[in-house]
Amino acid sequence: DTQLTQSPSSLSASVGDRVSITCRASQSVSFYLNWYQQKPGQAPNLLIYATSNLQPGIPSRFSGSGTGTDFTLIINNLQREDIATYYCQQSYDTITFGQGTRLEIK
Amino acid sequence: QISLKESGPTLVKPSQTLTLTCTYSGFSLTTSEVGVGWIRQPPGKALEWLALIYWDDDKRYSPSLQSRLTITKDTFKNQVVLTMTDMDPADTGTYYCARRRSGLMWFGTYYYTDVWGKGTTVTVSS
Repeated sequence: DTQLTQSPSSLSASVGDRVSITCRASQSVSFYLNWYQQKPGQAPNLLIYATSNLQPGIPSRFSGSGTGTDFTLIINNLQREDIATYYCQQSYDTITFGQGTRLEIK
Repeated sequence: QISLKESGPTLVKPSQTLTLTCTYSGFSLTTSEVGVGWIRQPPGKALEWLALIYWDDDKRYSPSLQSRLTITKDTFKNQVVLTMTDMDPADTGTYYCARRRSGLMWFGTYYYTDVWGKGTTVTVSS
C-alpha cells in the first residue's frame, strides 16, 4: 500500500493568513491525489481532486499542487469557517488516506 | 439531489458480524464508472477506506481487512451492503458510505469520492 504522510499534524493560524499543508507519498502516485476537509461532527467534504482541480462550490482560496510523491494544499486568506481537519487521499493504487492535519484559528 | 444514508446497529458484541446498509438516491449505480464505497473513522482518528463496489460489480477491499469484509449491491433497492465479520472493540467508530466517480485527464483516469453520507456510529462492546 502507498502510505501518505501529512505535515504538520496540526497548525494554528490567524484569519487572513496563507496556510500550507503538505502530503508526501511513500511512492509516486502521479497526479492521483485528492484533498478533503472534515469539520467537527461532519462527514468529509471533497475540496480538490486530481491534485489541483477545485471541486465545484469550493471557494477559490483553496488550491492544490504537486506530482509524484509531494503535494501541497494551500488556503489563502484563511477564514474562520476553514477550521477543520484536512486529509489527503491517493487513488493510484489501494485507496489510502493521510493521517490528517488539524487546523485551528489563533 | 444526490444523497447517501447509512443504517445499521449502533452496538454489536465482540465476534459478531456487522451488517451496514447504504441507501442512495439521485444517481444510479448502473451508470458507467460510478461506485459506492465504505470508509470508517475511529473516534479521534483518521479516515480508513474499507471497500468499494462499482457499477459493473467489480469489488475492491482494503488488503488488511479483506478477509472480514463483503460488499454487495442491490440496484433495484438502491442499496449497498457491507458486512464485517468477527467484530472487535478496535472496530468502534463512525462508518461512512460515499459515491465514487471518475474522470479522464491527460495523465489518465482519476477517481474521487464526491458525496458522503452523514455516517453511522458503531460501538463494539460486550
